[in-house]
Amino acid sequence: GAVVSQHPSRVICKSGTSVKIECRSLDFQATTMFWYRQFPKKSLMLMATSNEGSKATYEQGVEKDKFLINHASLTLSTLTVTSAHPEDSSFYICSARRTGLNNSPLHFGNGTRLTVT
Amino acid sequence: GEDVEQSLFLSVREGDSSVINCTYTDSSSTYLYWYKQEPGAGLQLLTYIFSNMDMKQDQRLTVLLNKKDKHLSLRIADTQTGDSAIYFCAETLTGGGNKLTFGTGTQLKVEL
Repeated sequence: GAVVSQHPSRVICKSGTSVKIECRSLDFQATTMFWYRQFPKKSLMLMATSNEGSKATYEQGVEKDKFLINHASLTLSTLTVTSAHPEDSSFYICSARRTGLNNSPLHFGNGTRLTVT
Repeated sequence: GEDVEQSLFLSVREGDSSVINCTYTDSSSTYLYWYKQEPGAGLQLLTYIFSNMDMKQDQRLTVLLNKKDKHLSLRIADTQTGDSAIYFCAETLTGGGNKLTFGTGTQLKVEL
């Protein structure tokens, strides 16, 4: 089945530093990937849609300069949290859909637990 | 706008059936999904149903869709302790592209 790999699984960083999270589709190509954020005991909030070869589409209220998204290939999207603050601490999850199969299920990575001290 | 709601908690005894419910407001949904999230992990796709279907069964899982009432349910037969997790329903909408709207999640606790 389709596998999405997300790294790192857990990261602790100091305030003011930047953190990069990778999302890879291992056995399929994904023109579009999605980045979600999950707060404790809350549902998932879509942050942005990552588009291969073009700019990401951000949801309302998400700062594009703070959450930089790069989708340089059909199998890799990265989310960089710039100048991290403690309020950025959260669980970030990426997902991907196989290219060419509209409305096929989204497959999710295992998430990245970010803690900013 | 779309709104997807679930009850927050469900507790069942091992071996019993679990029924997790989900209601949604937008009738233009195309696919509806059930995802499972174990503590500290990402989301695992359990099953999904196309909006023109009423029921789908896959081993211990049965999905029922009532489009008239905008109600989706997931039944887990012979619930095991390993089924303890948070279950999210989600939908994609006609014209909504690939965007998934998630429910609030139901925490299932299976007791011995």
